[in-house]
Amino acid sequence: GEDVEQSLFLSVREGDSSVINCTYTDSSSTYLYWYKQEPGAGLQLLTYIFSNMDMKQDQRLTVLLNKKDKHLSLRIADTQTGDSAIYFCALAPNSGYALNFGKGTSLLVTP
Amino acid sequence: KAGVTQTPRYLIKTRGQQVTLSCSPISGHRSVSWYQQTPGQGLQFLFEYFSETQRNKGNFPGRFSGRQFSNSRSEMNVSTLELGDSALYLCASRTADGGLNTGELFFGEGSRLTVL
Repeated sequence: GEDVEQSLFLSVREGDSSVINCTYTDSSSTYLYWYKQEPGAGLQLLTYIFSNMDMKQDQRLTVLLNKKDKHLSLRIADTQTGDSAIYFCALAPNSGYALNFGKGTSLLVTP
Repeated sequence: KAGVTQTPRYLIKTRGQQVTLSCSPISGHRSVSWYQQTPGQGLQFLFEYFSETQRNKGNFPGRFSGRQFSNSRSEMNVSTLELGDSALYLCASRTADGGLNTGELFFGEGSRLTVL
């Protein structure tokens, strides 16, 4: 939705790091998620961070959360061509049952 | 453990028809949510079911409806189809009883509906 903003496209070379950014307005969100969608597929949960954390690392993935600036980022180290996909930032509200998604960032990894 | 299964994967309908989509959640998951994905609007929440009860509904017209069965399987129905209903419909399931601040959401591959 409109409350979650992502840049639409990102292109990186294989082996470089990718950084996908997300800004949001709802500061009451407790869980912040990153999903990956490959062509013709559903959404795959990559990782998530709880709102009381600043950083979470999971193998090649690093999530940074800046609550003051309401900014979330996903860093992919050593990006591979298989990482080419659309990446969605999603926020879980403090109450309620609907995830609020960004429009997605299309990541293209070139050899 | 099998993932979230949606059927059919692809279907084509004409304006005015109705469609029913099916979702089988991960075994043990009692909450099922539905989302609509379109290029223009992105991912939008349709509704969420838990123990056969609709707990929350998104901002969609009454033509969109759903239900959940005692085995947690869910169906959604769209009546009087319009061209704008063409989309990928995604189903997601989770274990927790509470709100989304208590657990992960796992998505199926989706049902791609084309309305001609």
